Parts: sequence; C-alpha cells; structure tokens
Amino acid sequence: KAGVTQTPRYLIKTRGQQVTLSCSPISGHRSVSWYQQTPGQGLQFLFEYFSETQRNKGNFPGRFSGRQFSNSRSEMNVSTLELGDSALYLCASSLGAGGSAEAFFGQGTRLTVV
Amino acid sequence: SQQGEEDPQALSIQEGENATMNCSYKTSINNLQWYRQNSGRGLVHLILIRSNEREKHSGRLRVTLDTSKKSSSLLITASRAADTASYFCATDAGRGYSTLTFGKGTMLLVSP
Repeated sequence: KAGVTQTPRYLIKTRGQQVTLSCSPISGHRSVSWYQQTPGQGLQFLFEYFSETQRNKGNFPGRFSGRQFSNSRSEMNVSTLELGDSALYLCASSLGAGGSAEAFFGQGTRLTVV
Repeated sequence: SQQGEEDPQALSIQEGENATMNCSYKTSINNLQWYRQNSGRGLVHLILIRSNEREKHSGRLRVTLDTSKKSSSLLITASRAADTASYFCATDAGRGYSTLTFGKGTMLLVSP
C-alpha cells in the first residue's frame, strides 16, 4: 500500500511569490490535513479537508488556502510569500470518518523563502 | 497553539537502556497518538491510545494514559541507535474531524 506522497520535496521561492504544494493521500483515505513545522512554533495545524470540504481550519492568515479534489488529492497554496513562511509543510491522511483515527504523514515539502 | 508539552525536551541514553518520555495536555481528548520524526523528515505513527484505555503495547513501546492527570508516557525498552529521533505526542479532541494538536517534542539520542 503506497504511503502519503508530497510533491515537491524541496522548494525555494522569493518573497512575494506564491507556491502550491501537493499531497496524495493513502488510497481509501478521505481526510487530508496540512501542518506547518518550524523550529520556533513547532507543528501547527493549517486545515483539514474531507470529501472536498474544508472541515477545520487553524489560526493562519488568509494567504494560506487549500483544496481537495474528488480523488482525495489535496493542494495547499500560499500567496504573497513571507520569510516567515519558510518551514516544513506536512500532509497527513486518515480515514477521517468521524475523526479519531491514525494519521499517516508524508515526507513533507521543505519550503525556503528568500 | 500547542496542547501537549513533552518532558524532557532532550534525552541522551546508551543503547540497551530504556527511554521514558512524558506528555501533558490541557483539554479533554478522544485519543492521544505518539509519532517519531527523524531529522526533519515526515512523522511516523507509533501508537494510538484512546481516552478509555490506560495502557497499550506495541513491540518495544509501552504507552500509558492518565486522563485524570491529562498526561501520557511513552516508554521505549532496550533502546537502539536507530531509535534516535524526535518524539511527539498529539491529541485528538474528537470533534468529528481529524485535527491533531502537537507538543514540542522530545529529542532522543541513543548512543552505541
């Protein structure tokens, strides 16, 4: 069974640009969550999608957005990049029905904003 | 915001020794999960313990949960150098969606 796949693995962007990250969940998993990991703030929840609908959202500015497609693949977008957006972005998939199931993470996308 | 707080922040032991990490959280939970992360890579799921469980085992891992104290512990027995990693606890409030709140983690170094 293939795991969670995140692409790309590494990205370098310039301040002010925008970026799109992709996540393919484990087959059969309908929930995809996104997390940002930085040395200072640790792991912080961005948003969760289930069956193409955003079910929950963390405390991040509107520059951070996401979506989920009918095949459960998800993308997140960050517009007008700031230096502070440099982080490891992790995607997690789970069965998601009713919540409270194990979440399986991808290897992450390392975003560097210069 | 961080829900869990792991203790200690860092732990250094020799191979063969046991490693114990603790996690405290603030609000009621549906379950608590432990993850391992090697050097800035993805998180590997280790074990999930539900709020109505007190102890769970998986191989060399033993997790306990005390909901009255809002705390959990992860014990790794007979540690190996390959166990060197950061360990995170994450809580699920069980509000019908899959959202985990993570602690800041314990960095474990196991020396050969």
